[in-house]
Amino acid sequence: GAGVSQSPSNKVTEKGKDVELRCDPISGHTALYWYRQSLGQGLEFLIYFQGNSAPDKSGLPSDRFSAERTGGSVSTLTIQRTQQEDSAVYLCASSSTGLGNYGYTFGSGTRLTVV
Amino acid sequence: QKEVEQNSGPLSVPEGAIASLNCTYSDRGSQSFFWYRQYSGKSPELIMSIYSNGDKEDGRFTAQLNKASQYVSLLIRDSQPSDSATYLCAVNDVKAAGNKLTFGGGTRVLVKP
Repeated sequence: GAGVSQSPSNKVTEKGKDVELRCDPISGHTALYWYRQSLGQGLEFLIYFQGNSAPDKSGLPSDRFSAERTGGSVSTLTIQRTQQEDSAVYLCASSSTGLGNYGYTFGSGTRLTVV
Repeated sequence: QKEVEQNSGPLSVPEGAIASLNCTYSDRGSQSFFWYRQYSGKSPELIMSIYSNGDKEDGRFTAQLNKASQYVSLLIRDSQPSDSATYLCAVNDVKAAGNKLTFGGGTRVLVKP
């Protein structure tokens, strides 16, 4: 697609429920990143997929968080047993991995509210 | 020490003046540097990239890179109220594979009419 697409744009869930957030990267971009941003805070790295390599999961805050990327394209971030501290905007970004580093393109994010 | 550091601001600038934003980074091997603009409630948008020492100009924006001193800066000339946003500095993560970036905490800029 023309840009990075994330869905849903907003999600309200009850504490303890599981949620799935979806990211569809720019066509041809082989790298995909998940970040989260709490209100008024900076970007917190979560996980990074590059091609067929094992993902860099070093930023996942707990084992309640997991992500997968199917067919090298669409990615799903799953949060199990959500807690109120999980409330944040979850941002997905993609980039090419050819010669040179041209930065990321971000999606518009999913605002998650845990009540 | 954070890997990428920025003054959180707010940086208050009168309309028409030059806004000067600074960013320092810790890894001397970094090669790629980016500035993102983030409006309140929106996602970050790439506005500048720089890879070589010196200045790079794009419209009212100038990025400056000094690898010896490990800093990168962004100048916004003729600042407009529409430039009011948080500006994020990002640097490639040398320890990671591929194009992973490390972000600073951002500098909030307020342009006052």
